[in-house]
Formats: sequence, structure tokens, C-alpha cells
Amino acid sequence: GAVVSQHPSWVICKSGTSVKIECRSLDFQATTMFWYRQFPKQSLMLMATSNEGSKATYEQGVEKDKFLINHASLTLSTLTVTSAHPEDSSFYICSALGLGDQPQHFGDGTRLSIL
Amino acid sequence: GESVGLHLPTLSVQEGDNSIINCAYSNSASDYFIWYKQESGKGPQFIIDIRSNMDKRQGQRVTVLLNKTVKHLSLQIAATQPGDSAVYFCAEIFSGGYQKVTFGTGTKLQVIP
Repeated sequence: GAVVSQHPSWVICKSGTSVKIECRSLDFQATTMFWYRQFPKQSLMLMATSNEGSKATYEQGVEKDKFLINHASLTLSTLTVTSAHPEDSSFYICSALGLGDQPQHFGDGTRLSIL
Repeated sequence: GESVGLHLPTLSVQEGDNSIINCAYSNSASDYFIWYKQESGKGPQFIIDIRSNMDKRQGQRVTVLLNKTVKHLSLQIAATQPGDSAVYFCAEIFSGGYQKVTFGTGTKLQVIP
């Protein structure tokens, strides 16, 4: 079946550091990728939608200069949390949508802890 | 029984019993619905989906019911097993919105051996 891989799965870093998270579709080409944020015991909240070769569409309240998204190829999207602070600590999950009438496939998430 | 606390509502069921997880969705224009299972530390896993032109769909041990009149979705799990313990999310999709998925609040299912 379709597989989406996220890397890293867990990262701990100091406040002020920028962190890059990768999302790859391993066996299909993803025309669209989505980035979600999930706080403990809460639901997934969509942050942005990215289409290959174009600018990402951010949801209301999500700072595009804080969360940089690059979807440079049909198999890779990256989310960079710039100048991360403790309040950015969360579980970040990506998903990928291929062609056709298929549901989104989710990665296993990246747990980000900012000290 | 089912309880609602400050965070995720929790449903506790005995192993072997049937589970019913409910969800209210918000957009009457949503035309596609999915149930996801999320285990601790992992991403959501697709369980079953249903289109808005249907009111019931069955899979292996799972059944999804859709009531568009009251915007209600339910997931029934037959003969619940310990491996079913997880958080379950319903999700609605409006096709006109580039397949954007809106997740519900989630229900934690605890299976008692």
C-alpha cells in the first residue's frame, strides 16, 4: 500500500533553533501534501496545504514566515519551523494525496520538543 | 461506559463486546467521510470511508453509518479486541476544497481484557 515517511520522528532542540521536517511519499507521486499539528489529547489541526511547484496555502492563524513549507518535488515536502520556541513543541504530521480517488496517506509524525 | 472529560472522551468496552463510536460533523456540504485510528505516537491510519450518497458501509469487523439529516457519523466495531485500543477520529472532506480533511475531536477506545 501507499507509504508516507516522515523524518525525523523525534527531535529535541534549544529555543531559537530552526528545525526541518521531511515528508516523503515512497511509492507514489503526491500532487498535494498536507501538514498538521496535534497537541496532546487533541485532534489534528490542518496548518497548510502544499502543491508541488507552487506556494503553500496556509490556514487562518498559521504564520507562513514561522512555518516554511517547500514542496519541491512530487515525492518530497518539507516543513521548517523557524526560530522555534517552547510553544512550538507539538506533534507534526504530514499526509500525501496522490492522483485519483484515494484518501490521504499519513506519515507517522514528528515529535518536536523545544527546550 | 462513555465519559467526557477535559480532553478526549473515552469509551471503555470489554474484550469481545461491540463498540460504537459517535461523531458529529459540521459541514452539510461535506461529501466524503473517513474514520481513522491513531495509536500512540503514530499517524492516523485509514479504517473505512463512506460517501454522502450512502448511509451504511461495512468492512471487516467495522461498519460506518451516516445520518445526513442530523450530521452524524458512527463507527461500529464488532467483537472488539485489545488491538483496537486507540484514538478514533472521524474526518469530513469537501471535495470542492482540494480534499482538505477536517478532523473531529476524537474518542479514545479502551478495551478491557
